[in-house]
Amino acid sequence: QLQLQESGPGLVKPSETLSLTCTVSGGSISSSSYYWGWIRQPPGKGLEWIGSIYYSGSTYYNPSLKSRVTISVDTSKNQFSLKLSSVTAADTAVYYCARHPRAGWNPSYYMDVWGKGTTVTVSS
Amino acid sequence: EIVLTQSPATLSLSPGERATLSCRASQSVSSYLAWYQQKPGQAPRLLIYDASNRATGIPARFSGSGSGTDFTLTISSLEPEDFAVYYCQQRSNWPGYTFGQGTKLEIK
Repeated sequence: QLQLQESGPGLVKPSETLSLTCTVSGGSISSSSYYWGWIRQPPGKGLEWIGSIYYSGSTYYNPSLKSRVTISVDTSKNQFSLKLSSVTAADTAVYYCARHPRAGWNPSYYMDVWGKGTTVTVSS
Repeated sequence: EIVLTQSPATLSLSPGERATLSCRASQSVSSYLAWYQQKPGQAPRLLIYDASNRATGIPARFSGSGSGTDFTLTISSLEPEDFAVYYCQQRSNWPGYTFGQGTKLEIK
């Protein structure tokens, strides 16, 4: 059974870079059938897609975050990672990693498997 | 950007009743609409994709309908475990996926 697990620091200082990793188990991140994405949820609020990546390294980012986001993949470790630079308190959220089925050459819009999420607080 | 508006914000019903949740898009999204269920402290769970297709393992009491701008998630007979927050999601002007603000389904 496919499982995704987020990991990384729970506390990040303002203006620094948030770094998270998602480890995929029970399946291969190199599958040609899926993309892998990051979504976040501020406390008490709704969901925001951050970006997604294919095992080849092709990336797609939310235009509103694109200037600060980098998503990368390490197929040897079955992991993909998120870096979000110049964070502020507005970046405080639960961060989820998830899987998208592929639709043609792009990721499908929906996410069918999710990690449990990790809370990141931006504070000095 | 396409905006999704969910209604009502909160729905109070009893187990055994029928629940009807609405999601309206600011412009047509064809059938590219998904529904998720989220319980407190848990990740969202995919229920419906492409407006009416149930995801793997989702009970038949959950159904989705609609196309264009108006979509509905129906739960035919509420079970105690169905009380949660429900989100719709669509494929916005690519690249981009946006979510509705959520409907909280609570026990009456």
